[in-house]
Amino acid sequence: DAGITQSPRHKVTETGTPVTLRCHQTENHRYMYWYRQDPGHGLRLIHYSYGVKDTDKGEVSDGYSVSRSKTEDFLLTLESATSSQTSVYFCAISSLPSTEAFFGQGTRLTVV
Amino acid sequence: GNSVTQMEGPVTLSEEAFLTINCTYTATGYPSLFWYVQYPGEGLQLLLKATKADDKGSNKGFEATYRKETTSFHLEKGSVQVSDSAVYFCALSDSTGNQFYFGTGTSLTVIP
Repeated sequence: DAGITQSPRHKVTETGTPVTLRCHQTENHRYMYWYRQDPGHGLRLIHYSYGVKDTDKGEVSDGYSVSRSKTEDFLLTLESATSSQTSVYFCAISSLPSTEAFFGQGTRLTVV
Repeated sequence: GNSVTQMEGPVTLSEEAFLTINCTYTATGYPSLFWYVQYPGEGLQLLLKATKADDKGSNKGFEATYRKETTSFHLEKGSVQVSDSAVYFCALSDSTGNQFYFGTGTSLTVIP
């Protein structure tokens, strides 16, 4: 299994609070991704990174920011959490854009 | 743009039945195609892939053929088992970009 660790695995937070999710990899892969999974929508890309300090937006980036200061870590921040951001968040990594992505176990975030 | 459309679920089959989950795609360039499987409470795992037209991906009895003329990548298995119960996602990666595009997922339940 690819070495991807997401933390925390579960989190409950209040509306309006900031939240940071962490993705850590031990594979030295260049590309890292954050997705959210919601019923009826499949996986939707939030942000991705193609190198240290190189990031770009996905289709549902509003309300989220990311940072990648080291190859192995990709952080997703919800600046001010809203109930619509209740979801399961997955981190993924890949070595090249056309090769397969490997996924973490997910973080279940509930915003109350 | 790039997109993936897959068969709506849920699908319920009896053990040893034949499985087909349809997947069609729209893509620029020459995409790679993937099927991922997600078991309850887990992240997505790569099931199989194909990187060019007419390639057949296979794994654990599952098969899918990359059909460029019909822009399809249908998943098949000749005899399903209870342990195949999961959600299946079709996905593509466009070699000209840095992203993966996922279908909405198809839930499969296999009953004894």
